[in-house]
Amino acid sequence: KAGVTQTPRYLIKTRGQQVTLSCSPISGHRSVSWYQQTPGQGLQFLFEYFSETQRNKGNFPGRFSGRQFSNSRSEMNVSTLELGDSALYLCASSLDGLSGANVLTFGAGSRLTVL
Amino acid sequence: AQSVTQLDSQVPVFEEAPVELRCNYSSSVSVYLFWYVQYPNQGLQLLLKYLSGSTLVKGINGFEAEFNKSQTSFHLRKPSVHISDTAEYFCAVSVPNSGNTPLVFGKGTRLSVIA
Repeated sequence: KAGVTQTPRYLIKTRGQQVTLSCSPISGHRSVSWYQQTPGQGLQFLFEYFSETQRNKGNFPGRFSGRQFSNSRSEMNVSTLELGDSALYLCASSLDGLSGANVLTFGAGSRLTVL
Repeated sequence: AQSVTQLDSQVPVFEEAPVELRCNYSSSVSVYLFWYVQYPNQGLQLLLKYLSGSTLVKGINGFEAEFNKSQTSFHLRKPSVHISDTAEYFCAVSVPNSGNTPLVFGKGTRLSVIA
């Protein structure tokens, strides 16, 4: 079965621009989580969506937002880009994310470079 | 809140030698524990998980980990490494039946296997 698909894989933006990243979860998975990965901070949780509702949010500024559609696909948006937003953005899906035991299946990530 | 400490940021090891990657966690409640691997330019892939039961957990690619509650550790081991094991390894913790509490990751250990 198809894995988690993230698009685009690579993108370059300039400061002040905005960017939208897309994530298609594994079929049947209803929970989608987003993580930011940087060399200095490691993997940091951005937010998690389930049935089109944001259930949890990490400690990121309001410039970072997301949404989930009725087919469980998710997008995240970063507005007014800063140099420090350069990172690998990882999306992960799981069945429902409720028990803590559901394994996260990760996509290959979207590598964002801000110039 | 839960936290994970991976004691070594980089571990070089010769091919066919054994390796241990260390992970300690902090939590006031019972936890689930995971090890993920990230190969270059890819997302994270589950190696193994501990939910309950036997404290020795076997995973893919010949890896195993042992849960030690008194030491709050979950170290990853492999008796003989291959060049293909070169990757970054992440330890992670979640809380059972925690609803939407996200998976918390350590900062990673970069394993370099030397021929």
